[in-house]
Amino acid sequence: GEQVEQLPSILRVQEGSSASINCSYEDSASNYFPWYKQEPGENPKLIIDIRSNMERKQIQELIVLLDKKAKRFSLHITDTQPGDSAMYFCAANSGGSNYKLTFGKGTLLTVTP
Amino acid sequence: EAAVTQSPRNKVAVTGGKVTLSCNQTNNHNNMYWYRQDTGHGLRLIHYSYGAGSTEKGDIPDGYKASRPSQENFSLILELATPSQTSVYFCASGVGGYEQYFGPGTRLTVL
Repeated sequence: GEQVEQLPSILRVQEGSSASINCSYEDSASNYFPWYKQEPGENPKLIIDIRSNMERKQIQELIVLLDKKAKRFSLHITDTQPGDSAMYFCAANSGGSNYKLTFGKGTLLTVTP
Repeated sequence: EAAVTQSPRNKVAVTGGKVTLSCNQTNNHNNMYWYRQDTGHGLRLIHYSYGAGSTEKGDIPDGYKASRPSQENFSLILELATPSQTSVYFCASGVGGYEQYFGPGTRLTVL
């Protein structure tokens, strides 16, 4: 099945700087790549996603890049704020018909004032 | 956003006991999922369902059963709970192999 690797596992940045999280996947048929944000004690919430017919997507300060040839995708948070501190998960679907998402192990982002 | 609810929100069970976790969604999504979340492992898929009456094994199904009696409800059943099943369990509903929306989670402790 699909495998998703996510790095780094811990990321600490200063307020106002950018943060980048990288993920790689194995299934060349995967065509959907979401990102979830999870705050302590809460559920994961979908914040941005990208489909394989796109290379770049931006929602406000969130930018997702997809490199299908390299089987890599990344999340970039520009102008980080303390409220961006959270756990972030990437995921990829399975290219087949089984409608699953496989998640990375997560990145704990801390934004310091 | 999809409305997914879970019950109970917290549960303490004894080793060898039976535990049932319930999930309800009100958005008429065909697909529903059960994950467990443990530090260092992220979200791991236990069982999922394409619709009422269907259940499929996920990546870590051992020790768990699932039931989908209706479009809205999806249960996770631990017939003989073990301490290794202490975790936070999330239910999700979704559209095909795309967006999934998570419930608030159930914290299960097996003593």
